[in-house]
Amino acid sequence: EPEVTQTPSHQVTQMGQEVILRCVPISNHLYFYWYRQILGQKVEFLVSFYNNEISEKSEIFDDQFSVERPDGSNFTLKIRSTKLEDSAMYFCASSVSTGTSGNTIYFGEGSWLTVV
Amino acid sequence: RKEVEQDPGPFNVPEGATVAFNCTYSNSASQSFFWYRQDCRKEPKLLMSVYSSGNEDGRFTAQLNRASQYISLLIRDSKLSDSATYLCVVNHKDSNYQLIWGAGTKLIIKP
Repeated sequence: EPEVTQTPSHQVTQMGQEVILRCVPISNHLYFYWYRQILGQKVEFLVSFYNNEISEKSEIFDDQFSVERPDGSNFTLKIRSTKLEDSAMYFCASSVSTGTSGNTIYFGEGSWLTVV
Repeated sequence: RKEVEQDPGPFNVPEGATVAFNCTYSNSASQSFFWYRQDCRKEPKLLMSVYSSGNEDGRFTAQLNRASQYISLLIRDSKLSDSATYLCVVNHKDSNYQLIWGAGTKLIIKP
């Protein structure tokens, strides 16, 4: 079964450093997402990406964050100047179409980021 | 008021029992409804969509009550492997159809 893959599975970084989280969405999917889940809290939407541009972003997704699709397969989330409160599990996800039709969103296994 | 509210639990249930939990949502224009399952430190996985007429998938039954703005999940003949956190998820036009997540209900099935 096709799956969304994410790397790294776990990263520890010092406060103020830049982090890049990588994702390979399912190959025929057109919509890509990043979500965040702080330990013990709910899943939070960060950003959606379609046709090589951001289609939607939440209040969390400020200038500290950026996304990129550098080639035909990878989808990256960059966090500049990390803060302690950025420590969370970051999930990449993809779907064939948007959520308007209740289309299934498939999640990667997540990248656990610890900022120290 | 939270957009999607769930009882955090945990619900401690003996194996073989039936368990049900609800989720309430605040936006009456919510359009799509889902139950996701999340194991500890794992990614959420879609358990089932919830349709207006209610729907069943094996031991799992989901119901939607638009008038009272809640959805429910019923698990019959619970298995040890059902132990997980169950996430209620909705979307609506105001969120541009992005998924809005509840904090989850933790279920523990005991032998």
